[in-house]
Amino acid sequence: DVKVTQSSRYLVKRTGEKVFLECVQDMDHENMFWYRQDPGLGLRLIYFSYDVKMKEKGDIPEGYSVSREKKERFSLILESASTNQTSMYLCASTAQGGIQPQHFGDGTRLSIL
Amino acid sequence: DQQVKQNSPSLSVQEGRISILNCDYTNSMFDYFLWYKKYPAEGPTFLISISSIKDKNEDGRFTVFLNKSAKHLSLHIVPSQPGDSAVYFCAASATGNQFYFGTGTSLTVIP
Repeated sequence: DVKVTQSSRYLVKRTGEKVFLECVQDMDHENMFWYRQDPGLGLRLIYFSYDVKMKEKGDIPEGYSVSREKKERFSLILESASTNQTSMYLCASTAQGGIQPQHFGDGTRLSIL
Repeated sequence: DQQVKQNSPSLSVQEGRISILNCDYTNSMFDYFLWYKKYPAEGPTFLISISSIKDKNEDGRFTVFLNKSAKHLSLHIVPSQPGDSAVYFCAASATGNQFYFGTGTSLTVIP
């Protein structure tokens, strides 16, 4: 069965800290995505990656970076966390070829104090 | 600017009746549309999709209708069950790589 695993369900960090959110998929998918979900705003794409070491900006990349050193792992990095980055973060993956539904992890609820 | 809109934040329906969730989009380049269902504390799960070459796709109790001229799609759930209570997101794509999501509709099915 398809599995996307996010390393933490809940995370509390302080303003200015560097924060790492990890995502691992076991489906050998080429494409991986990071979204944030906020009330009234739905899911907004932060970054995505088509392949190892490749990354593309989504709609709201400011304040974030990503790393894809291995096919199965896609990391989201908050370089200097701010309170407006408090949110639910969702990782997803799809195979390449045609249009494929995304498989999501269960999310990380991140609070920045 | 929101390219995919779900104008009803919430919907309540009696068990056994039809639930109709609506979604509008602005980008005429979108050619693939999906519905996801999300329970609290879980990630969204794929429910049903439709490509722009069709106007209807059915899967069991779930049917998605697409009206390209109106840039509108809807999800019908018949009959509605209490386990259908969740937040439903519609999503659209033009390339298959980037998906644009609506803001979600919270469905409550009353037993």
